[in-house]
Amino acid sequence: LAKTTQPISMDSYEGQEVNITCSHNNIATNDYITWYQQFPSQGPRFIIQGYKTKVTNEVASLFIPADRKSSTLSLPRVSLSDTAVYYCLAPRWAGGSYIPTFGRGTSLIVHP
Amino acid sequence: KAGVTQTPRYLIKTRGQQVTLSCSPISGHRSVSWYQQTPGQGLQFLFEYFSETQRNKGNFPGRFSGRQFSNSRSEMNVSTLELGDSALYLCASSLTGSNTGELFFGEGSRLTVL
Repeated sequence: LAKTTQPISMDSYEGQEVNITCSHNNIATNDYITWYQQFPSQGPRFIIQGYKTKVTNEVASLFIPADRKSSTLSLPRVSLSDTAVYYCLAPRWAGGSYIPTFGRGTSLIVHP
Repeated sequence: KAGVTQTPRYLIKTRGQQVTLSCSPISGHRSVSWYQQTPGQGLQFLFEYFSETQRNKGNFPGRFSGRQFSNSRSEMNVSTLELGDSALYLCASSLTGSNTGELFFGEGSRLTVL
């Protein structure tokens, strides 16, 4: 059974770089890996999406190795406002249907 | 551009009752997917609709159902409520579908079953 796993929690300090890794076995060949950020009492918000190698946008980078069995979200120079829960989303296929499968989330706490 | 709107935001039901939740997607988005979020199980996929057709379904009992209207608005229904159905129910809309594009989430409907 395909599973998407990520660390439960992480701590960091303002100004540091944070890397969160997600493992996703049996990911389909042609599907994207996506990361979301969620604050309390809000729905998840899109951060970044990638297929392979490296993708960078204005808030984060995403590294995906050649075997695509894992991905790493990199947040440069975090601030207190980056304290949130981060989810990776990797698809799995079951019975011919695409099933969006989230990791359990990584609670990131950024300290002053 | 208005975001995804979910109603109601909060509701309390008792065991055995049924509930209907509504989701209005971003204008132009034809895909609406639904998720259940609980502390114990995290974010779990319920089902996705695209142009009024159910495209795929997660591993939930038949008590959970949904539909999508011609204006892309979607509803989900849970019948014969159980205590374990207490959760935050999130819907997300997408231009192309949950497997290819960015998901835009609403703020959720928090259901408490007593």
